[in-house]
Amino acid sequence: NAGVMQNPRHLVRRRGQEARLRCSPMKGHSHVYWYRQLPEEGLKFMVYLQKENIIDESGMPKERFSAEFPKEGPSILRIQQVVRGDSAAYFCASSPQGGSDTEAFFGQGTRLTVV
Amino acid sequence: GQQVMQIPQYQHVQEGEDFTTYCNSSTTLSNIQWYKQRPGGHPVFLIQLVKSGEVKKQKRLTFQFGEAKKNSSLHITATQTTDVGTYFCVYSGAGSYQLTFGKGTKLSVIP
Repeated sequence: NAGVMQNPRHLVRRRGQEARLRCSPMKGHSHVYWYRQLPEEGLKFMVYLQKENIIDESGMPKERFSAEFPKEGPSILRIQQVVRGDSAAYFCASSPQGGSDTEAFFGQGTRLTVV
Repeated sequence: GQQVMQIPQYQHVQEGEDFTTYCNSSTTLSNIQWYKQRPGGHPVFLIQLVKSGEVKKQKRLTFQFGEAKKNSSLHITATQTTDVGTYFCVYSGAGSYQLTFGKGTKLSVIP
């Protein structure tokens, strides 16, 4: 049973380009979380999704950011027109159910650098 | 709203010394989790505490959940260099599925 797979591990984008981050949850997990982590800081919640549904996007900026978790395929975090401030590590986590009643498994993260 | 403070933010210890990090909430928590993140790594689940006054041990790590379920602690006995990393308490707010991370305690172990 493979763990949570994120790709790419490192992504460099120029300002104004689009960044697409992918997350394949663990087999059997239908709950996905996305977090952003700035250097030397904690993890900030962005969005929580179940298959085909966004459950809680309260941590996601209103503009330029979007997330999806289609019926087939990985969850995608999309950042349009990236700016320098988007540079961060983006972690995806999956769990068999939502909330803190069960362990969340994290992927290795995608380190986004905007130049 | 719910506020959870994690202290200290940083801790430097000599190898062999003990280490403790604390999470304190302004409201009752249904449960609490602890995660560890190694430098350059990703968060890894350590434990979940559910019951009032619960104490769980994993080798040199001892986790406690307060009687009022408003605070929790992680204690490491006789630290080793492999303990280096940031330790986070994680919880969900009432009626929320969102996992919220504390600010973390960054542990450095001096050999």
